[in-house]
Amino acid sequence: EAQVTQNPRYLITVTGKKLTVTCSQNMNHEYMSWYRQDPGLGLRQIYYSMNVEVTDKGDVPEGYKVSRKEKRNFPLILESPSPNQTSLYFCASSLRQGLDSGANVLTFGAGSRLTVL
Amino acid sequence: DQQVKQNSPSLSVQEGRISILNCDYTNSMFDYFLWYKKYPAEGPTFLISISSIKDKNEDGRFTVFLNKSAKHLSLHIVPSQPGDSAVYFCAASEETSGSRLTFGEGTQLTVNP
Repeated sequence: EAQVTQNPRYLITVTGKKLTVTCSQNMNHEYMSWYRQDPGLGLRQIYYSMNVEVTDKGDVPEGYKVSRKEKRNFPLILESPSPNQTSLYFCASSLRQGLDSGANVLTFGAGSRLTVL
Repeated sequence: DQQVKQNSPSLSVQEGRISILNCDYTNSMFDYFLWYKKYPAEGPTFLISISSIKDKNEDGRFTVFLNKSAKHLSLHIVPSQPGDSAVYFCAASEETSGSRLTFGEGTQLTVNP
């Protein structure tokens, strides 16, 4: 089954304790991205990656790191989590072949709810 | 600044009636628009899209209308069904940015039996 898999789905942690949220896709997609969803703010992009070893900041990158060493994986790293990073996080991927093919359609993971105390 | 805005946080309609969800955007470079649906405890799923060269796209019960001069798009669901109850996100992208989507705040649609 074609899918984007995120882990963990739920996590409660404390301020300053480094954590990694993993993301893996099995569709051979070039493009991967991380979003956070907060009430009243919708989905905001954190980081994205056009391909292996190519990453760039989204709209709210502060406090996050990413890496893209393999095409299928795109982990999100919180080096020193703070309470304002309490949120629902989504990983997504797409083919990125151009507009006409509908390749802008993102496939999302099920989400990772993170609470930082 | 919020480049994509959904001004109605919630909408409630009766089963069988039409649901109209609205979305406004400010960036004139946006040329591809999408609607996503999200159920609780699941990720958003793609619903329907429209390119800026069109003003209407239809897929079964779902139709998206685009008014470029007003920088406004809407999603019509006819007839509405209880299973349509979900949060709907409007999203937009520029051709040059490919898959980089900018999302609105979302609208919670409730369809009452």
